[in-house]
Amino acid sequence: DQQVKQNSPSLSVQEGRISILNCDYTNSMFDYFLWYKKYPAEGPTFLISISSIKDKNEDGRFTVFLNKSAKHLSLHIVPSQPGDSAVYFCAASFTQGGSEKLVFGKGTKLTVNP
Amino acid sequence: DAGVTQSPTHLIKTRGQQVTLRCSPKSGHDTVSWYQQALGQGPQFIFQYYEEEERQRGNFPDRFSGHQFPNYSSELNVNALLLGDSALYLCASSLGGPGVNTIYFGEGSWLTVV
Repeated sequence: DQQVKQNSPSLSVQEGRISILNCDYTNSMFDYFLWYKKYPAEGPTFLISISSIKDKNEDGRFTVFLNKSAKHLSLHIVPSQPGDSAVYFCAASFTQGGSEKLVFGKGTKLTVNP
Repeated sequence: DAGVTQSPTHLIKTRGQQVTLRCSPKSGHDTVSWYQQALGQGPQFIFQYYEEEERQRGNFPDRFSGHQFPNYSSELNVNALLLGDSALYLCASSLGGPGVNTIYFGEGSWLTVV
């Protein structure tokens, strides 16, 4: 039972254009959502997050949108740069017994072409 | 400021053997979580340690065990290795306590079981 889904395994965009990565979730108990970026042979790197009480969070070129009614979030990267090429993981978290446990999607491989 | 460090980076084991992976959390962090990432999948939560106790556990068999030391470093042990245990094992650290805290990942330990 996959609680966090990234239905697009890959995405290719042109440099300078917008990249939109999507993520859906099924568990309404999730209260925090995060995006991680992963290069080959490296661990995931935290990118941006959003609390379930908000619908948008922006950090430079990265913006995350949350639609709670649709249980959907998206990561917008604008403008996209070749260095953004990586695998992007959507993750969701809910406090359980005072701890935080991340539930990850399978990832979307983004390729930004020069 | 050292981030999350893991060792070894790569190792090969034979089916039925036992393996120990090690992790030092980011400076100032007291909570360590372990994740398994199989090829083409997102990271899957194994368990989390806080104050030297296992605080939460994912859906992994008892062959997977761990330990946290007084200096907050942690070990992941896997007994009776199976071919399906071949994966990238990620350690993540964070600050325990109330609220949501950013989780940082190490670069992982690649385990191949032959």
